[in-house]
Amino acid sequence: AQKVTQAQTEISVVEKEDVTLDCVYETRDTTYYLFWYKQPPSGELVFLIRRNSFDEQNEISGRYSWNFQKSTSSFNFTITASQVVDSAVYFCALSEAGNAGNMLTFGGGTRLMVKP
Amino acid sequence: DVKVTQSSRYLVKRTGEKVFLECVQDMDHENMFWYRQDPGLGLRLIYFSYDVKMKEKGDIPEGYSVSREKKERFSLILESASTNQTSMYLCASSPPWTGGERVTYEQYFGPGTRLTVT
Repeated sequence: AQKVTQAQTEISVVEKEDVTLDCVYETRDTTYYLFWYKQPPSGELVFLIRRNSFDEQNEISGRYSWNFQKSTSSFNFTITASQVVDSAVYFCALSEAGNAGNMLTFGGGTRLMVKP
Repeated sequence: DVKVTQSSRYLVKRTGEKVFLECVQDMDHENMFWYRQDPGLGLRLIYFSYDVKMKEKGDIPEGYSVSREKKERFSLILESASTNQTSMYLCASSPPWTGGERVTYEQYFGPGTRLTVT
């Protein structure tokens, strides 16, 4: 069975600090996908990134970066120079590739609060 | 841009009422999903549908049913609402997995319906 754990339920930082959100997953499949979503106060989940299990290259997009390590089953997300607009709940999710209906298993989420 | 809309942002119903939550997507996606979101539990899948009139149970289907008569519309039904169904309900859609390559595509979410059952 697949499982996603986000051990940090809440994180509070001051603007311009760097922050890393942890995500640890469990799966028996060798082919799988990992995702990060952002849920701002408005409520709608916004897709951030999708990563497949064969691509371990780290990715950077502006102030966002992702570190995928199969050896530790982790897919961590770092925000550099955080801003107040980064305040949101962030979800990590896992899907075993090709499962019926493209189902995702979500972690419990991490609430990030960035204070001015 | 993919657009997923949900019929209500906020809904208050009484215990025992039948409740309909509607979801419409405009990207011709085969897959549609209903989740509920509760603090600390993340999103949990209630039902999903991979085609018209097709449905599959997710992790927590008890107390819910669904209907998909048209490709763009996926309805969640609470047959007899109870207070433990007070939650945020999120609808999503995604393209299907096609061909021989095993791929999972990202899901696109609606704004959510916050349902309160009193």
